[in-house]
Amino acid sequence: GEEVAQTPKHLVRGEGQKAKLYCAPIKGHSYVFWYQQVLKNEFKFLISFQNENVFDETGMPKERFSAKCLPNSPCSLEIQATKLEDSAVYFCASSMTGTGTLNTEAFFGQGTRLTVV
Amino acid sequence: AQSVTQLDSQVPVFEEAPVELRCNYSSSVSVYLFWYVQYPNQGLQLLLKYLSGSTLVKGINGFEAEFNKSQTSFHLRKPSVHISDTAEYFCAVSPGIGGYNKLIFGAGTRLAVHP
Repeated sequence: GEEVAQTPKHLVRGEGQKAKLYCAPIKGHSYVFWYQQVLKNEFKFLISFQNENVFDETGMPKERFSAKCLPNSPCSLEIQATKLEDSAVYFCASSMTGTGTLNTEAFFGQGTRLTVV
Repeated sequence: AQSVTQLDSQVPVFEEAPVELRCNYSSSVSVYLFWYVQYPNQGLQLLLKYLSGSTLVKGINGFEAEFNKSQTSFHLRKPSVHISDTAEYFCAVSPGIGGYNKLIFGAGTRLAVHP
């Protein structure tokens, strides 16, 4: 596709329930990123992939959060046993191959708003 | 490690007035610099980026930014704003070369343009 597609747009979960978010990167883009935007507008990097491989997971909480990018499937971000503080907008972004200075733009999806009640 | 400081959380301005949104960064390595805009309930849209070369970078919607290495700043400017420029603006840095590096964002500046 020509844009990063995130589903669902909104997700409401009770505390302790599982949440799963999806992201379809732009066709031909090798890199996928997940960011978390909390209420105070701060964007926090979570994880990035190069194709199916985890590239950088330094921002991922060690517990409860996991992510995958499998061939021929949208990428996913899963939160087990959600907590109130997980309420945020989760953005996915994709970019082309990392080689060369021309390919430095990350294109963002419109986000999934997760509300944990 | 890199960090980004956006000095103003909110900037109110009248329509057709000039505006400057300030951004300072810290890094021990060379970085790429970006400004993104976020309209309500939308994702981020790239306004402009500095990779190398001329320190004055022109972007979309009439915005420009100037990279100042000695002051580690990358302030965003527009000579005459419109109501439609009302949005949240984020400055970001990315270490190294290539699009595979994560972006480190500032806390954002809310630009509110008043008639």
